[in-house]
Amino acid sequence: DQQVKQNSPSLSVQEGRISILNCDYTNSMFDYFLWYKKYPAEGPTFLISISSIKDKNEDGRFTVFLNKSAKHLSLHIVPSQPGDSAVYFCAASEGTYKYIFGTGTRLKVLA
Amino acid sequence: NAGVTQTPKFRILKIGQSMTLQCAQDMNHNYMYWYRQDPGMGLKLIYYSVGAGITDKGEVPNGYNVSRSTTEDFPLRLELAAPSQTSVYFCASFGQGRQSYNSPLHFGNGTRLTVT
Repeated sequence: DQQVKQNSPSLSVQEGRISILNCDYTNSMFDYFLWYKKYPAEGPTFLISISSIKDKNEDGRFTVFLNKSAKHLSLHIVPSQPGDSAVYFCAASEGTYKYIFGTGTRLKVLA
Repeated sequence: NAGVTQTPKFRILKIGQSMTLQCAQDMNHNYMYWYRQDPGMGLKLIYYSVGAGITDKGEVPNGYNVSRSTTEDFPLRLELAAPSQTSVYFCASFGQGRQSYNSPLHFGNGTRLTVT
């Protein structure tokens, strides 16, 4: 049973435009959410996180939005750059240190 | 600062063989994790540990064993390798202060395992 879902396996965006990556979850007890970026042949690297007490967190070009009622979070990248091309994973935990990851979305930023 | 180090990087096993995937971290992190990533799939949690001597099952623990005798090391053992265990395995660690958004999971670069 997939508790964290990323329904878009891939996304292509023009350089300079906004990239929006989406993530849905089923467990209402999740209270901490993270986004990771992964390049080929490397481990995932942390991008940005958000606690369930917030609905938005911003870090430079990256903003994460959380809609608890819809059990949905999204990652916005503005402006998108070719170096942002990677696989993006969302992850969630429920008051423990057990992190559950989604299936990932491959982002391709076209120059 | 090496972070999370995984060895080996690649390995090919025959069905029924056993092996240990090594993971070491030098950040004095209490929490350590093993994930596997199958093609087109996300990261699935195999086992995790909240400190030396304490381990717990994740989403897909069958066919694996772990131990945590020291804070630094968290080896993953495959006793009877099966083709279904062909995957990329990632080890990760996590420090103190969950409330700090600057203490996320730190991942190693993975071990690519093929069982034939």
